[in-house]
Amino acid sequence: KAGVTQTPRYLIKTRGQQVTLSCSPISGHRSVSWYQQTPGQGLQFLFEYFSETQRNKGNFPGRFSGRQFSNSRSEMNVSTLELGDSALYLCASSLFGTGDEKLFFGSGTQLSVL
Amino acid sequence: QKEVEQDPGPLSVPEGAIVSLNCTYSNSAFQYFMWYRQYSRKGPELLMYTYSSGNKEDGRFTAQVDKSSKYISLFIRDSQPSDSATYLCAMTTGTASKLTFGTGTRLQVTL
Repeated sequence: KAGVTQTPRYLIKTRGQQVTLSCSPISGHRSVSWYQQTPGQGLQFLFEYFSETQRNKGNFPGRFSGRQFSNSRSEMNVSTLELGDSALYLCASSLFGTGDEKLFFGSGTQLSVL
Repeated sequence: QKEVEQDPGPLSVPEGAIVSLNCTYSNSAFQYFMWYRQYSRKGPELLMYTYSSGNKEDGRFTAQVDKSSKYISLFIRDSQPSDSATYLCAMTTGTASKLTFGTGTRLQVTL
């Protein structure tokens, strides 16, 4: 069974640009969550989508947004990039609503903002 | 103060040693507790998943939760060089996707 797939693996952008990251969950998983990982703050929850609806949201500015498609694939967008947005962005999927809601992570997209 | 505190290490042990990794937390509403292992340039991999207080064993790994002390531990027996990684504790009040993580402990198992 294929795991969580994130593309691209690496991205380099400049301040002020916007970026879109993509995530394909494990087959059958309908919940997709996004996390930001930095050396200083560790892993922080961004948001979660289930059935194309945002179910939970973390404490990030509105420049961070996401969406989920009918096939459960998800995208995350960051607009007006800042230097502090440089991080590893991790996507995770789970079988929300089944009682077995363990979270499985992809390998992440490493974003560098110059 | 962070909700979840974890010693960042690094922790260096010889092969075959028993490793003890710990986290403390402040939110008494946390009900589900997890340990993840993360290798360099990879995403976190779920190792242990426990609910409420008690022990859970899986192979060389044992997870302990003491809710009265707000303290969780992960023990690794017969540690191997392949166990060298960063270990992250995580917990949630019940929303499986909205985890609060510790900062991670970097473990190095030497030959």
